[in-house]
Amino acid sequence: QVQLVESGGGVVQPGGSLRLSCAASGFNFNIYGMHWVRQAPGKGLEWVAFIRFDGTNKYYADSVKGRFTISRDNSKNTLYVHMDTLGAEDTAVYYCAKDKLGNTPHYFDSWGQGTLVTVSS
Amino acid sequence: SYVLTQPPSVAAAPGQTARITCGGNNIGTKSVHWYQRKPGQAPVLVVYDDSDRPSGIPERFSGSNSGNTATLTISRVEAGDEADYYCQVWDSSSDVVVFGGGTKLTVL
Repeated sequence: QVQLVESGGGVVQPGGSLRLSCAASGFNFNIYGMHWVRQAPGKGLEWVAFIRFDGTNKYYADSVKGRFTISRDNSKNTLYVHMDTLGAEDTAVYYCAKDKLGNTPHYFDSWGQGTLVTVSS
Repeated sequence: SYVLTQPPSVAAAPGQTARITCGGNNIGTKSVHWYQRKPGQAPVLVVYDDSDRPSGIPERFSGSNSGNTATLTISRVEAGDEADYYCQVWDSSSDVVVFGGGTKLTVL
């Protein structure tokens, strides 16, 4: 049974930083690509970032490029995203999602329950 | 960048068929995937690779993709199908994952 559990969300001031984590279990974490996807209040799903199974390739949405960094620790079965220079537009529920493949993005076959990030003074 | 266009809303009566479209330039050359999202729940994959169904998804859910339009078809609509539906592709020319804007299915 695949399980993805996000943590690290909370309230952060504009311009601040935050790191989210996603603990994975129930599958061989180190052979699958992983993503972060977010949903702002009242908006649709927005893809944020992808990391290859071995961490050597990373892709980002234009809206977060240069501010967010996706990473993974395969020894800990954990996915991360470090978010810098946060703005109100980054307020959203952030989901960790497992890709069907390992090398390039394909589709999301499992999702976590999400963690809420609120950027507010 | 690649854009996917979905109607904001679709409505269908119980027992009828609902069709949700996803438009994109030559989308027929890409693999399209569909997700169902109910309030307070994580998204669920309902169709992948245009027309395949994950295990556990009813046969009432089907997909097609050709030309500039992909379609998710829900046959014999039930009250429990009421949700937001999103299409998704991988745009390899710009290395980004793209979601459609989402379609709210209302069961009348």
